Parts: sequence; C-alpha cells; structure tokens
Amino acid sequence: ETGVTQTPRHLVMGMTNKKSLKCEQHLGHNAMYWYKQSAKKPLELMFVYSLEERVENNSVPSRFSPECPNSSHLFLHLHTLQPEDSALYLCASSQNSYSNQPQHFGDGTRLSIL
Amino acid sequence: AQKITQTQPGMFVQEKEAVTLDCTYDTSDQSYGLFWYKQPSSGEMIFLIYQGSYDEQNATEGRYSLNFQKARKSANLVISASQLGDSAMYFCAMRGLQGAQKLVFGQGTRLTINP
Repeated sequence: ETGVTQTPRHLVMGMTNKKSLKCEQHLGHNAMYWYKQSAKKPLELMFVYSLEERVENNSVPSRFSPECPNSSHLFLHLHTLQPEDSALYLCASSQNSYSNQPQHFGDGTRLSIL
Repeated sequence: AQKITQTQPGMFVQEKEAVTLDCTYDTSDQSYGLFWYKQPSSGEMIFLIYQGSYDEQNATEGRYSLNFQKARKSANLVISASQLGDSAMYFCAMRGLQGAQKLVFGQGTRLTINP
C-alpha cells in the first residue's frame, strides 16, 4: 500500500453514536492533519500532529477528539455530533509540519449525521 | 492572517484548449509557499504544483504551470491542452514557512472540460 488511506469511506451515524475515523500513511512522513470540507466552504484545518504531538487545535469542538498513537496512524474520535458536522473529513500527511513539501491527502470519509 | 481568493466558482472549457484558473492571496509573511490541488468527484485531493515565494522562476509540472506574480499577489494555474479528465474542483492554497503554519485554502473553482 502507498499514500494515505482513510477508513471508512462513508459513515452515517446518529447524534448519540460514538464512532472513529482512521487514517494511515505509508509515506514515512512525520506530520499528519485532519481537515473538514463542508459544502460551499473552504477546507478547514482541524488538527495538526507533528511527531505524534498535537501542535495545533484550530478551535474545534470537544465532540471531535483526535489521537495519534504513532507517526503512521491518526484517528478522529466522534461523539455526540450535530447535523452541521456532516461533511467530508480529509486526512493528510507531510514530511514535517514546518516543510514546504506538499501535504498528501487521503480519499476522505464522507460523514452524514442523522 | 493569510487569505486565498478564487474568484471563478465555475469554468467551462473546450477540450484541448488552455485554461487559466485565478488565485490571489494575502499575507504579511515574507516567506510562504503556494500550492494547487485538484479534487475529482471521488473526493481525494491531488497535489499538482508548488511555488515558493522566493522562487524566481514560475513552477511547471507537465501540463501544469503556475503564473506567479508576486507584486500582484497572484498565483494563477495554467493547464495546457486540457483533457476530459481535468474536470474537477481546483483549490489554491498557501502556507507560511515560519513555524508550524497551516495550509489555508481558497473556495475552489469547478472546471468542466467539454468534448
């Protein structure tokens, strides 16, 4: 496997459910990111991890909880979400968070909140 | 604060024609990077091309070139000899190079290539 892999591709959940999004990168990168892409809005950065430490939390509600157990894996734990949280969630990685190297993205998880 | 503006919500181009997608930016950083990404309907974001603020020459990658005009703060993407597979959303993004700066994206332009 190569690149950035996200699972699941699609997720439908109720507001009281708990679920997790998974991201795995096989590029040997040290930085990983979560983005949210809502309809008619620019991509919004949610979290940045560098060498498994969170370096940025972009004012994201606590119902989104990231976890980075190692430099290859990144999770986004979801709990008590709201309908406005329905969006495409994209994971990305880069060589490091200070680099001018491009971020490589996964295919995204399309999340629908009922 | 950094800001990216893409003023073309949608563009329609005939196959094999060249197309220019506009991008202007605003930043107080002296050093920064500019990126273009392509997002097909499947959702993945595909990196196309990068331009550093101190690069003297415009970046090129195959059929993609970046028309970088620093004084005007513009970084337009030029696609030569467009193909049907070029139909997608295109996003311009920028990133400061001081510290762990985030990638800031524009609203995107939806490009449709007509046969």
